[in-house]
Amino acid sequence: GAVVSQHPSWVICKSGTSVKIECRSLDFQATTMFWYRQFPKQSLMLMATSNEGSKATYEQGVEKDKFLINHASLTLSTLTVTSAHPEDSSFYICSAIPGPMRPQHFGDGTRLSIL
Amino acid sequence: GDSVTQMEGPVTLSEEAFLTINCTYTATGYPSLFWYVQYPGEGLQLLLKATKADDKGSNKGFEATYRKETTSFHLEKGSVQVSDSAVYFCALGYQEDSSASKIIFGSGTRLSIRP
Repeated sequence: GAVVSQHPSWVICKSGTSVKIECRSLDFQATTMFWYRQFPKQSLMLMATSNEGSKATYEQGVEKDKFLINHASLTLSTLTVTSAHPEDSSFYICSAIPGPMRPQHFGDGTRLSIL
Repeated sequence: GDSVTQMEGPVTLSEEAFLTINCTYTATGYPSLFWYVQYPGEGLQLLLKATKADDKGSNKGFEATYRKETTSFHLEKGSVQVSDSAVYFCALGYQEDSSASKIIFGSGTRLSIRP
């Protein structure tokens, strides 16, 4: 149980385009979802915390207009990288929890490459 | 602020060797401690956790003990296998009453096991 699915797993696109990444909790309702960014050979950095039906809380230094997060339902959160540039290339990972004080369940990640 | 420091990799061992990956932390409160594993091209999986001092987490032959006196949570395994090759992340997190837990990750240690 507690499966989190991310789609797509890999995306390559041209500079200037916008890319949407989906994060779904398949067998539970996720009250909160998290979005992380992982640079090569580095740790995960929390980008934002997303609660269903409310605005995401962004970590310091993360541009909210650049990384749009929508948590429209209890099983789906989306991260849209707007006007992506090569420096946005990274591995993006989401996680979800079924309720407060519950462990995070991670998706398999999305590798984003901007040409 | 809170932080996690773990030994730099890569760590390369022969099959059946003994493994230790060091992890220390600084914390303002009383966090839970975690080890996550990331296999190539995948997201993170929780390997084991400990929620209070002197607790021992264990899973798949891996163990780690929450040592408050040394602020450490070293990961050990008595006999590693090729399938253990992955990146291992030490992490800490707080589970607050009213909000979801944020997790702070260490930088990760890449482990490679030779047949």
